[in-house]
Amino acid sequence: KQEVTQIPAALSVPEGENLVLNCSFTDSAIYNLQWFRQDPGKGLTSLLLIQSSQREQTSGRLNASLDKSSGRSTLYIAASQPGDSATYLCAVPREGGSEKLVFGKGTKLTVNP
Amino acid sequence: EPEVTQTPSHQVTQMGQEVILRCVPISNHLYFYWYRQILGQKVEFLVSFYNNEISEKSEIFDDQFSVERPDGSNFTLKIRSTKLEDSAMYFCASSSGTPGDETQYFGPGTRLLVL
Repeated sequence: KQEVTQIPAALSVPEGENLVLNCSFTDSAIYNLQWFRQDPGKGLTSLLLIQSSQREQTSGRLNASLDKSSGRSTLYIAASQPGDSATYLCAVPREGGSEKLVFGKGTKLTVNP
Repeated sequence: EPEVTQTPSHQVTQMGQEVILRCVPISNHLYFYWYRQILGQKVEFLVSFYNNEISEKSEIFDDQFSVERPDGSNFTLKIRSTKLEDSAMYFCASSSGTPGDETQYFGPGTRLLVL
């Protein structure tokens, strides 16, 4: 059964700092991993999707890496801004061909001005 | 930029009543999903829908739930005889089905409160 864990559960940093959010998953037979952002009481915004054949994917100040064999992904945020404050979720398909996403509980990020 | 929309944004209902949550997926997308998030908990998959039928469902998605694509644009989740524990945020999502792009795009959610 696929399980996703995100550490830390919460993170508070000063503005301008670079930071890393971690995601681990138990079943490495995935074909992609998706990172989302969730603002309080709101929906999920897709940030990046990284294919299992890729090691990294970049979008602006965000960089996601994937190490499928060790069951880990990281989301690197450069030069953090107060507007980055949100909960960041990672999700993987339940198993190889599944469309069902299994989510972690998220990391709540606060960027202080 | 195209986006998934959901109505209503909030719904309050009495236990035992039926509710219908509505979604308009992105127009050229082929796969549709419902997820829910109970307050303080993880986002959970309910069901996926492709080619006018359910392609996958979770153990949560029992006979109380049903989905329908009544026309070319809407995708609905019906909850019959709601229970207190159905209170949650319900998210609709869609994906294109394009090989190599399995990104699921989520709507803003419907917050359901069952009293």
